[in-house]
Amino acid sequence: QQQVKQSPQSLIVQKGGIPIINCAYENTAFDYFPWYQQFPGKGPALLIAIRPDVSEKKEGRFTISFNKSAKQFSLHIMDSQPGDSATYFCAASGGDSSYKLIFGSGTRLLVRP
Amino acid sequence: NAGVTQTPKFQVLKTGQSMTLQCAQDMNHNSMYWYRQDPGMGLRLIYYSASEGTTDKGEVPNGYNVSRLNKREFSLRLESAAPSQTSVYFCASSTSGNTIYFGEGSWLTVV
Repeated sequence: QQQVKQSPQSLIVQKGGIPIINCAYENTAFDYFPWYQQFPGKGPALLIAIRPDVSEKKEGRFTISFNKSAKQFSLHIMDSQPGDSATYFCAASGGDSSYKLIFGSGTRLLVRP
Repeated sequence: NAGVTQTPKFQVLKTGQSMTLQCAQDMNHNSMYWYRQDPGMGLRLIYYSASEGTTDKGEVPNGYNVSRLNKREFSLRLESAAPSQTSVYFCASSTSGNTIYFGEGSWLTVV
């Protein structure tokens, strides 16, 4: 049972483009929604996170949009760069799962020069 | 700053062999986790330890055991390795279950 569904599986954009990665969750008790970035051969690292009391959060070129009623959230990368090429994971936690993050299946992003 | 350290980095096992993945964190975190990462499956939680002295099953615990040796160390044991356990294993830690810090991974192949 996949509690966090992520799409697309892979994404290719040109430098300067705005890739968008989407996630949907099922558990209404979730109250913490982070995005992790993973480079090849490395462990995932926290990129940005949001809680359901706000609809949007920006950190640099990265923005999370959150739609509580639709149980969806998305990551937007403004002015994407080749260095942003990585795998991105959304995740969620809260309620009975407050101690553990449930991850989406990941999106492999390639930004072409 | 070591953060979360896992050993070994790479391991090849024969079916039926046993091994233990070691993990240590130096951030004084209460909670520790073991995840596995497989293509197209994302990161799936195997076991976690919310605090020293406690362990709980995650999404995919079958075939694994864990030990929270002390606040710093959390080991994962495969008693009888199977090819289905070929994966990349990540240890992680956190203070409150929110921001989770990952190690660099252990690549395990079972032949």
